[in-house]
Amino acid sequence: GQQLNQSPQSMFIQEGEDVSMNCTSSSIFNTWLWYKQDPGEGPVLLIALYKAGELTSNGRLTAQFGITRKDSFLNISASIPSDVGIYFCAGQAGGTSYGKLTFGQGTILTVHP
Amino acid sequence: IAGITQAPTSQILAAGRRMTLRCTQDMRHNAMYWYRQDLGLGLRLIHYSNTAGTTGKGEVPDGYSVSRANTDDFPLTLASAVPSQTSVYFCASSEELAGLTDTQYFGPGTRLTVL
Repeated sequence: GQQLNQSPQSMFIQEGEDVSMNCTSSSIFNTWLWYKQDPGEGPVLLIALYKAGELTSNGRLTAQFGITRKDSFLNISASIPSDVGIYFCAGQAGGTSYGKLTFGQGTILTVHP
Repeated sequence: IAGITQAPTSQILAAGRRMTLRCTQDMRHNAMYWYRQDLGLGLRLIHYSNTAGTTGKGEVPDGYSVSRANTDDFPLTLASAVPSQTSVYFCASSEELAGLTDTQYFGPGTRLTVL
């Protein structure tokens, strides 16, 4: 099946620092999504990207859909303690895979006050 | 607004026992999904349903079965649990399976331990 490689696996940063994480795939995706999971809860959608090259922001979060359609990154600017959690990228291939998401392994983010 | 509810919250189960994880959504979404989450592997799709009465296999369907008798409910059954099925299970739903822009909404999860 399709594989998504997400990096880094974990990050320990100081409050106020910027954060960057990315996902790469061996195959093309038509949609890239970024989710955040807080402890004990299900993932919540942060940003959705539908077009190669697209750059989308949601507050302090910015994500881009790579031109090759095989990668995406998420940036968080001026991190705050509530940014703590696990961040997942997910791709949707389209065609017969419509609606079915492939998830990355997750990036565990810790923010020190 | 309830969204998606899952039950139980957590369960410890003896190997070989049968177990059904329940999922209910009140958003009238057509598509529903079951994922398992394991450390270092992210979320992997077990089964999905694009509308009531139909189901399909995901990436890791072996050992699991689902049914979709109505729009709201999508139970996941482990016929004979094994320790490798120890995981956190998430149910999700979206308006349509084939909708390019549809958001998947996730339930709070069920933590299952098989001994």
